[in-house]
Amino acid sequence: QSVLTQPPSASGTPGQRVTISCSGSSSNIGSNIVNWYQQLPGMAPKLLIYSNNQRPSGVPDRFSGSKSGTSASLAISGLQSEDEADYYCAAWDDSLIGVVFGGGTKLTVL
Amino acid sequence: QVQLVQSGAEVKKPGASLRVSCRTSGAAFTASYMHWVRQAPGQGLEWMGWINPNTGGTNYAQKFQGWVTMTRDTSISTAYMELSRLRSDDTAIYYCAREKESGENALNIWGQGTMVTVSS
Repeated sequence: QSVLTQPPSASGTPGQRVTISCSGSSSNIGSNIVNWYQQLPGMAPKLLIYSNNQRPSGVPDRFSGSKSGTSASLAISGLQSEDEADYYCAAWDDSLIGVVFGGGTKLTVL
Repeated sequence: QVQLVQSGAEVKKPGASLRVSCRTSGAAFTASYMHWVRQAPGQGLEWMGWINPNTGGTNYAQKFQGWVTMTRDTSISTAYMELSRLRSDDTAIYYCAREKESGENALNIWGQGTMVTVSS
C-alpha cells in the first residue's frame, strides 16, 4: 500500500488530454513539493516534472504538473503513442522522514 | 553528460549480503545527494534512502534501517548500497539516482539498474 495514491491505470486516444492524480496527506504533498517520473517499458525512470510544475530541459511542454492542498496532478496534452508508460508521483514525507512514491499509473494510448 | 554506471546483475542465496556500486561520470560526485530506489518485478518504485557523498551522511527509509548500508568512495566517484540478510522478496531492480543540484529530492539522473535475484 503506497503512501501516495494514484489510479492504477489511465488511457486516452492520440491528441487527447489526460490527467493523472496523486493524493497524499498533510505530511507529504500538503507540505512538500511533488515530483513526477515517467518510466518507459524496460527502462529506468526519468524525471518528468519537479517542484510541482517545473519541466527539466528536454521535456515537452505537453507535460504539466500542478498541486493543490494534499493532491497533485500530471496533465499530458496532445497525447502521443510514445507517452505510453508508467507514471509515478513522489514527495518528501515529514513523518516518515523519507521520500514516498505513488503506486504508479499505467498510461495506455488507444 | 552526467552518467551513472551500476554494477552488473547478481544472483544471491537467501541470507546472503549484496553490494551494488554506482559510479558517477561527467559531474562532481560530491555535489549532489545519491539516492537508491528499488523496483520488484511488476511493482512500483520503492525509495531506500540517500547518501550525501560529500560528508558520508545517510538517511535510510524506516523499512530498511538496520538492514541497508550506503557508503561512498570519493576517490573513484562511486557510491555503494549494501543490503544484508537477503530474502526472496528482495528480488528487484536496484537503481541509484542522483538528485538535482538544486535539491528538492528531484532525481534527474538514474543508473541503468542492477537486477538482483534472490533464490535458493
